[in-house]
Amino acid sequence: QKEVEQNSGPLSVPEGAIASLNCTYSDRGSQSFFWYRQYSGKSPELIMFIYSNGDKEDGRFTAQLNKASQYVSLLIRDSQPSDSATYLCAVPNSGGGADGLTFGKGTHLIIQP
Amino acid sequence: EPEVTQTPSHQVTQMGQEVILRCVPISNHLYFYWYRQILGQKVEFLVSFYNNEISEKSEIFDDQFSVERPDGSNFTLKIRSTKLEDSAMYFCASTRLDSNQPQHFGDGTRLSIL
Repeated sequence: QKEVEQNSGPLSVPEGAIASLNCTYSDRGSQSFFWYRQYSGKSPELIMFIYSNGDKEDGRFTAQLNKASQYVSLLIRDSQPSDSATYLCAVPNSGGGADGLTFGKGTHLIIQP
Repeated sequence: EPEVTQTPSHQVTQMGQEVILRCVPISNHLYFYWYRQILGQKVEFLVSFYNNEISEKSEIFDDQFSVERPDGSNFTLKIRSTKLEDSAMYFCASTRLDSNQPQHFGDGTRLSIL
């Protein structure tokens, strides 16, 4: 049974600062990693995905993967109040195919104006 | 941009009744999924579907649940003999290739069992 762990927060960050969200996973064989944003009462919205060790940048978002330490992080630069949401980390249940995703409980991020 | 669409947005049902939740995945996607999220809890995988058959199911997906792709566009989740604890948001997702590709979620159906 795969496990995905996240600090539930809330994580409070001033507007304009960098928000850093972390996620650890149990299965060393995991190949792909996804970050979703979920506003209250809404569905998960894909923010970033990463497959390789290192950093992947997309606009204000950077995903960082360290497979040796089994953690993946999401950095949000120049945080805006609209970034306030719950951020979900997810990994496929096994090596791919039609597997579902195992989600973490999510980190509740609050951007303070 | 193509979207996964789900209907209805909110379903209220008496305990013991059957419900069918409907999803239209993105048209060129091949893999389809159902997830649920009980209020205040994490998103939980229910079932995946590929090539007209179930590929993987979680321990939540017992005999009370079934999925079907009745035509070339719809993907349905049927819940028989609903229980109070089935109250949750149900999300449909799809991906073009396998689960190493990002899954795109619909807006969800809020199921309330009375």
